[in-house]
Amino acid sequence: EAGVAQSPRYKIIEKRQSVAFWCNPISGHATLYWYQQILGQGPKLLIQFQNNGVVDDSQLPKDRFSAERLKGVDSTLKIQPAKLEDSAVYLCASTRQGKVGEKLFFGSGTQLSVL
Amino acid sequence: GENVEQHPSTLSVQEGDSAVIKCTYSDSASNYFPWYKQELGKGPQLIIDIRSNVGEKKDQRIAVTLNKTAKHFSLHITETQPEDSAVYFCAASGTGGSYIPTFGRGTSLIVHP
Repeated sequence: EAGVAQSPRYKIIEKRQSVAFWCNPISGHATLYWYQQILGQGPKLLIQFQNNGVVDDSQLPKDRFSAERLKGVDSTLKIQPAKLEDSAVYLCASTRQGKVGEKLFFGSGTQLSVL
Repeated sequence: GENVEQHPSTLSVQEGDSAVIKCTYSDSASNYFPWYKQELGKGPQLIIDIRSNVGEKKDQRIAVTLNKTAKHFSLHITETQPEDSAVYFCAASGTGGSYIPTFGRGTSLIVHP
């Protein structure tokens, strides 16, 4: 089966600019996650969707970050305006139903550099 | 919320040696503990997992042990090979109604030929 697709692979922007990332999960996967991975750290959850509804966005900096999954399939994550500390790899992941014990499939990520 | 501590941050071994990575978790209600391997430029990939009703699980050269009383779990890799070089993450989850794993900070494993 095809894996989780993410684009772009790399993005370089200046602070205060905006940026958007795209994710297409594995076909049939109801649950989609966006993680932020800062260099040298583990992935940190930003937001979890179940179909097109938000399950958890408690760690999403809502003053600058937004995410949507309008049709319950692909998703976009936006940052506006970007700060230097947003430099990280943004990982998208999906599971079939979002139940404990399911295999979490990750995409290759988008590496963001904010200058 | 859950907090996962992982040690060491870097582990350097010779090919053929064993490697052990240790993690502790804070939430006694957590009941599922996966381990992920992340190679350069790729997303993490699940390599093994263990549930709280099991003390140990093996898959060829890798094994995971869980001590629920002490709230710690470990990854053991035997007969290490250069292709085992990667960053390894432990995670814990299980509380609440949805699957939201909390990850450790990662261990960079370097296997020298």
